Amino acid sequence: QVQLQESGPGLVKPSETLSLTCTVSAGSINYWYWSWIRQPPGKGLEWIGYIYYTGNTNYSPSLKSRVTMSVDTSKNQFSLNLTSVTTADTAVYYCARGGGNFDSWGQGTLVTVSS
Amino acid sequence: DIQMTQSPSSLSASIGDRVTITCRASQNISRNLNWYQQKPGKAPKHLIHGASTLQSGVPSRFSGSGSGTDFTLTISSLQPEDFATYYCQHNHSSPRTFGQGTNLEIK
Repeated sequence: QVQLQESGPGLVKPSETLSLTCTVSAGSINYWYWSWIRQPPGKGLEWIGYIYYTGNTNYSPSLKSRVTMSVDTSKNQFSLNLTSVTTADTAVYYCARGGGNFDSWGQGTLVTVSS
Repeated sequence: DIQMTQSPSSLSASIGDRVTITCRASQNISRNLNWYQQKPGKAPKHLIHGASTLQSGVPSRFSGSGSGTDFTLTISSLQPEDFATYYCQHNHSSPRTFGQGTNLEIK
């Protein structure tokens, strides 16, 4: 069964860039869509966007101006960059397999935006 | 954006009870509806896709129904491990959006 693992800094300063990587194991990144989803503490889920293994992307309009996703098929990884972060971006960030049906998830990583 | 509204927001029930959670979409999404279960401190688990198709390994006491704008998730006989928060989510168009969640608690 495919496994996903998020990695990256747990603390980011306001106005800086949040960068996370998701490593896929026990399966190939090829031929799948991959998504990022976040959850502020105590709140619901928000889809950030997806990337296809070819590099095609689809971002949520609410975050589109600040989001960039990329994929490295040689490393079986995909990444998220979120620029100009504020405290409102504090959340658990999940990577997941799928562009619309999210059938496998990473364990999530808490990113706190604070000076 | 398509808005997803769940009801109730919270629900208390007992072991063995039959419970139903409702999800309403702000426009027709056909059967492009998923359900997830999330336990505290854990990632969501995919339960149902296509409004009614159970993911592999999901117990048969879970069922989903509906199409268009109105959907339900039913648990036929609550087990201790079912107490969690449940989310619906559409994949009819972009952006994908989730309901606000239904917190299922032990009575």
